[in-house]
Amino acid sequence: SQQGEEDPQALSIQEGENATMNCSYKTSINNLQWYRQNSGRGLVHLILIRSNEREKHSGRLRVTLDTSKKSSSLLITASRAADTASYFCATDAIGNTPLVFGKGTRLSVIA
Amino acid sequence: NAGVTQTPKFRVLKTGQSMTLLCAQDMNHEYMYWYRQDPGMGLRLIHYSVGEGTTAKGEVPDGYNVSRLKKQNFLLGLESAAPSQTSVYFCASKIYPNEQFFGPGTRLTVL
Repeated sequence: SQQGEEDPQALSIQEGENATMNCSYKTSINNLQWYRQNSGRGLVHLILIRSNEREKHSGRLRVTLDTSKKSSSLLITASRAADTASYFCATDAIGNTPLVFGKGTRLSVIA
Repeated sequence: NAGVTQTPKFRVLKTGQSMTLLCAQDMNHEYMYWYRQDPGMGLRLIHYSVGEGTTAKGEVPDGYNVSRLKKQNFLLGLESAAPSQTSVYFCASKIYPNEQFFGPGTRLTVL
C-alpha cells in the first residue's frame, strides 16, 4: 500500500499563478521528498525535507512539513508553462525501508 | 557522469517470452531499485538492493527476478512475460538516506 498520497490529483492554473500541492502520509518518517516527472521521462528530485525541519526553500519552490499532522505541501510560485508535469511526494520511513511514492499531482500551467 | 542509464528504451514482447532489463549507475551508489509505473497507479516498487550481492522484494515482485552481481548494475528479468507486465519500468539508485536518481525508463509492451 502507498503511504504518500497527493492532493489534488490534477491542478490547472494560469502562468504566473502559484500552485500548491499537498501530501499526507501515515507513519513516522526520516524525511519526505518531492519529485517532478515530465511526460514520458524519469523522475527528477526537487527537494528533501527532514523530519526535524518545518520549511525549506529552493528557488521558486517552498516545502513545508507538519509531522504532527503527517502532511507536507509543495508551493510553486510564479508558475511557468515549463512547470507542467506530475509531482510526487515520497516518504522515507524510519527503519531504512524503501521510499514509498504517492500517485502524484498532475499540474498543467497554461500560458 | 552518465548518472543512471537503462537498456533498452523500448521493447515489444510476445506472451511467454523472456527478457532482461539492465540498469547501470556510475555514482557508486549502494542502493538500487526497480519500479513499474502504470496509468493512475503511481510508482510501485518491484525489487530493490541495498548493496552488491543483495536483493529484496518490493510491493509487486511476482513474475520478476533481479540480480546485483556488480555494484554498478541491477538487472530485472522477466522469465515468462504476460500482458499484465506491460508498463514503463524505472530504475533508481541512491546513497542512503539521500534522494534517489532515476533512469529515463524502459517502455515494455507484452502482446
